[in-house]
Amino acid sequence: GAVVSQHPSRVICKSGTSVKIECRSLDFQATTMFWYRQFPKKSLMLMATSNEGSKATYEQGVEKDKFLINHASLTLSTLTVTSAHPEDSSFYICSARPRTENVISEKLFFGSGTQLSVL
Amino acid sequence: SQQGEEDPQALSIQEGENATMNCSYKTSINNLQWYRQNSGRGLVHLILIRSNEREKHSGRLRVTLDTSKKSSSLLITASRAADTASYFCATVRGSTLGRLYFGRGTQLTVWP
Repeated sequence: GAVVSQHPSRVICKSGTSVKIECRSLDFQATTMFWYRQFPKKSLMLMATSNEGSKATYEQGVEKDKFLINHASLTLSTLTVTSAHPEDSSFYICSARPRTENVISEKLFFGSGTQLSVL
Repeated sequence: SQQGEEDPQALSIQEGENATMNCSYKTSINNLQWYRQNSGRGLVHLILIRSNEREKHSGRLRVTLDTSKKSSSLLITASRAADTASYFCATVRGSTLGRLYFGRGTQLTVWP
């Protein structure tokens, strides 16, 4: 099956620093990737849709200057949490929708998530 | 949640029993999907049911969809300890390739 690799799996940083999270599709191309945020024992909240070669589309209430998304290639999207604060501590998960021979999958494949802890 | 609710929020059963989880959503959908998440991990796709389908099976999984009530159910038959996880329903609105919005999830615990 399609594999999505997400790194790092865990990061601890000081308040005010920026943290970059990478999401890679290992064996398929993904023109679209999605970034989710999850609080403990809560649902996944869609933050933004990352489009290869264009600007990301952010969900209502998500600060685009706070959460920078770059989709530089068909296999890589990055999420940078800028000037992180303790309230940004959360579990961040990326997902991708494979495209094979111009057929795009309806289901998503997820990375294993990044636990961000801001001190 | 951005979409709807699952109930129960937590379910605890013995191995061999059936587990039923329900999901309600708010808007019209193109399809509804169920995902599983082990603690602290990403999600794994289980099954997809389209808006014009009423029931679907996959192994020990059975999904139903009632678009008039905007609800779906996931049944896991003959549960195993390894089924212990959180289960989420997710809906796609509008375009088939649109964004996926998740419900709150049900934490299932299966005791050996």
